Amino acid sequence: QQPVQSPQAVILREGEDAVINCSSSKALYSVHWYRQKHGEAPVFLMILLKGGEQKGHEKISASFNEKKQQSSLYLTASQLSYSGTYFCGTESKNSGYALNFGKGTSLLVTP
Amino acid sequence: ETGVTQSPTHLIKTRGQQVTLRCSSQSGHNTVSWYQQALGQGPQFIFQYYREEENGRGNFPPRFSGLQFPNYSSELNVNALELDDSALYLCASSFFGLQGMNTEAFFGQGTRLTVV
Repeated sequence: QQPVQSPQAVILREGEDAVINCSSSKALYSVHWYRQKHGEAPVFLMILLKGGEQKGHEKISASFNEKKQQSSLYLTASQLSYSGTYFCGTESKNSGYALNFGKGTSLLVTP
Repeated sequence: ETGVTQSPTHLIKTRGQQVTLRCSSQSGHNTVSWYQQALGQGPQFIFQYYREEENGRGNFPPRFSGLQFPNYSSELNVNALELDDSALYLCASSFFGLQGMNTEAFFGQGTRLTVV
């Protein structure tokens, strides 16, 4: 079943922060985050495997609340290069090893 | 760059025809998954291949089939093409471990299929 992402779209000025949420109705093994720019393949950002685990690199981090089946992606001090569509992919016990992707969150960072 | 390559990059086919798409996986990975991405949507899981066998399948009809080869490369075959099959087809390479989960998946650049 497809996870639900919010918001659907967000516009930021360079340097501002954003949070993208992903929630599932199923118990999750893992959450994967990707960014896709127009006409390109999704690019892997990070994977979260354990409840409450927080990961990050540079100014992008994420958390995973296993009990609530929710994950959030945090973008701090956004840069123009952060523009794109962000997808969460969830892996659950009954997903057949599939990553089920949400519909995506469109992020536009303006100068 | 991920090291996952797909061919061809673009393809135009007529309704009713058959198509084969190819994917080479990243070095060290043993699993290939295929996804269909319609415009403005997230990727939809078609199936996954591990050790040359189908390891999971999404909600796609049997006319979508695949193969994985000993070098872990893979093919996606679609028979009796329909107009709704027009989409970006992505393959993703990952490592499926003993714990029964996938590592991070790296996507190829995709094949844009247009059915007319």
